[in-house]
Amino acid sequence: NAGVTQTPKFQVLKTGQSMTLQCAQDMNHEYMSWYRQDPGMGLRLIHYSVGAGITDQGEVPNGYNVSRSTTEDFPLRLLSAAPSQTSVYFCASRTRTVTMGYTFGSGTRLTVV
Amino acid sequence: DAKTTQPTSMDCAEGRAANLPCNHSTISGNEYVYWYRQIHSQGPQYIIHGLKNNETNEMASLIITEDRKSSTLILPHATLRDTAVYYCIGQAQTNKLIFGTGTLLAVQP
Repeated sequence: NAGVTQTPKFQVLKTGQSMTLQCAQDMNHEYMSWYRQDPGMGLRLIHYSVGAGITDQGEVPNGYNVSRSTTEDFPLRLLSAAPSQTSVYFCASRTRTVTMGYTFGSGTRLTVV
Repeated sequence: DAKTTQPTSMDCAEGRAANLPCNHSTISGNEYVYWYRQIHSQGPQYIIHGLKNNETNEMASLIITEDRKSSTLILPHATLRDTAVYYCIGQAQTNKLIFGTGTLLAVQP
């Protein structure tokens, strides 16, 4: 049981490049979310999903796309990277029932130059 | 989701109980009170949650006032490793977990 796995752990992109941040969980959790955390700031919700095939926007969705084709995976796509997207990205998952809180991954540190 | 108010920072001596307050006067009847913490550079960690009753687990205790307008997270014997930002969040049973600014707890040796 690996929990929530995020890859890569570190990434440097050039402005305008695209990439996909991977998130996978092996706990059969229905709910998954993506957050970004800028230096010295709190976490902001980008996109979330309540199950395979269902996604919705969070607080700061612009510049990001998501899809949820399986319960296990919830990739986050940066369409055209900008320096303002330099941040640490966290993925999280939770069961649909209110028995526990979210389990978070260890994060992806992204730098856009 | 309910708006919560927490002190910006607190200190606690190692080995003593850390009591972290949270005001959530606008919380609605179906919203739970969740507590998470984030140790520097790591992903947030779920601690505990409750609706009306006080709750206890291996990490902490949660005391919710009878009117549900405030709560206190208690770490019974704080250690240096408990130094972190602690987030109190009012949330209904939905997927959207919105973080506020939290309380930076500094445990002093």
